[in-house]
Amino acid sequence: AQSVTQLDSHVSVSEGTPVLLRCNYSSSYSPSLFWYVQHPNKGLQLLLKYTSAATLVKGINGFEAEFKKSETSFHLTKPSAHMSDAAEYFCVVTDTGNQFYFGTGTSLTVIP
Amino acid sequence: DTEVTQTPKHLVMGMTNKKSLKCEQHMGHRAMYWYKQKAKKPPELMFVYSYEKLSINESVPSRFSPECPNSSLLNLHLHALQPEDSALYLCASSQDSSGYQETQYFGPGTRLLVL
Repeated sequence: AQSVTQLDSHVSVSEGTPVLLRCNYSSSYSPSLFWYVQHPNKGLQLLLKYTSAATLVKGINGFEAEFKKSETSFHLTKPSAHMSDAAEYFCVVTDTGNQFYFGTGTSLTVIP
Repeated sequence: DTEVTQTPKHLVMGMTNKKSLKCEQHMGHRAMYWYKQKAKKPPELMFVYSYEKLSINESVPSRFSPECPNSSLLNLHLHALQPEDSALYLCASSQDSSGYQETQYFGPGTRLLVL
């Protein structure tokens, strides 16, 4: 069975400092993994996607994530937080049937 | 273009009303999805249409009735809803629902309030 654990429900960083949002998954297959961002009262926007081509995945807005199979992790990072990064972030794993399994989300606050 | 559009943006309805939510995509995707999202929670899958046929119904109450008139359109008909049905309703689409590593593209959602 597939599942995703987002280890922090809330993360708070100062503007200009690094961001780390943690995600661990379990999957019976070689998974596809995604990070989506949701700003208040908006839909979900794809940040990046891992599909086994490369373990370090670069996404939009300076975000990247590293797939570590030995640790079953797919943590999202950004070197320098911007005020516009404040949002809810969801880690997602899919199986061969393409059903999405969402993590519970991490709320990112950026302090000016 | 990776855009999924949804109308209306906001909807207020009484428990005896009938209303419909509309979703549209022009990316040539053959799979479309309805999700329900409560505040501070991840989206919950309601329905999946694959090649215009309903392929997944996640035990959703019959007061929600999906319809896929063609490959670009997805409707969600609402009737006799309850206040607990108030939520953000998200539509998504992907190239295929059975393919591996498919990306789902989400619309902006319809914010529904049931009084």
